[in-house]
Amino acid sequence: AQSVAQPEDQVNVAEGNPLTVKCTYSVSGNPYLFWYVQYPNRGLQFLLKYITGDNLVKGSYGFEAEFNKSQTSFHLKKPSALVSDSALYFCAVRHYPRPGGSYIPTFGRGTSLIVHP
Amino acid sequence: NAGVTQTPKFRVLKTGQSMTLLCAQDMNHEYMYWYRQDPGMGLRLIHYSVGEGTTAKGEVPDGYNVSRLKKQNFLLGLESAAPSQTSVYFCASSPEPAGANTGELFFGEGSRLTVL
Repeated sequence: AQSVAQPEDQVNVAEGNPLTVKCTYSVSGNPYLFWYVQYPNRGLQFLLKYITGDNLVKGSYGFEAEFNKSQTSFHLKKPSALVSDSALYFCAVRHYPRPGGSYIPTFGRGTSLIVHP
Repeated sequence: NAGVTQTPKFRVLKTGQSMTLLCAQDMNHEYMYWYRQDPGMGLRLIHYSVGEGTTAKGEVPDGYNVSRLKKQNFLLGLESAAPSQTSVYFCASSPEPAGANTGELFFGEGSRLTVL
């Protein structure tokens, strides 16, 4: 079984400050980890992913995420928040491909990021 | 490139009525998914398909049926709508995760359904 937890329903940050949106996961074997962003009245858009290699991955719009295997975490970060970053952020996990395995990802419940001017 | 297109975008139904949501993708993806999004519940998987002619149940399949007769289309049906099915429905597609394809999902813009 695989699961994702986003412990914060909402994160508030002032524009220009660094932001962190937290995600922890549970999966058997090595994980594939993803972040998606949803702007109001839109579908989800892929932001970045961790597959293997460097624990710090960079994605769209200046976002990055750090994979920490010992803490089973994949927190989303940005050094300087913008008001336009305000959106709903979803973390997702699925396990590393294996014969006969399911590739269906599991999503967290989402975290609302509000960046104040 | 249209990506993933959902129709209709909005619909109001009365309890007991039936309807079909259509999802079309032009990326030749093998996998397709239907999710519903409700406040505080995140995304919940209704049904999915790993290829033309195949479907499987997700987390919340009751009250819904699906069909994947053509690779590019994935239909979600409500045979007898209930107020509990008021939600925003999202379709997504992904290439089969293998090799360079790591399986990230491409989403449609959503279909807002209200059941009175």
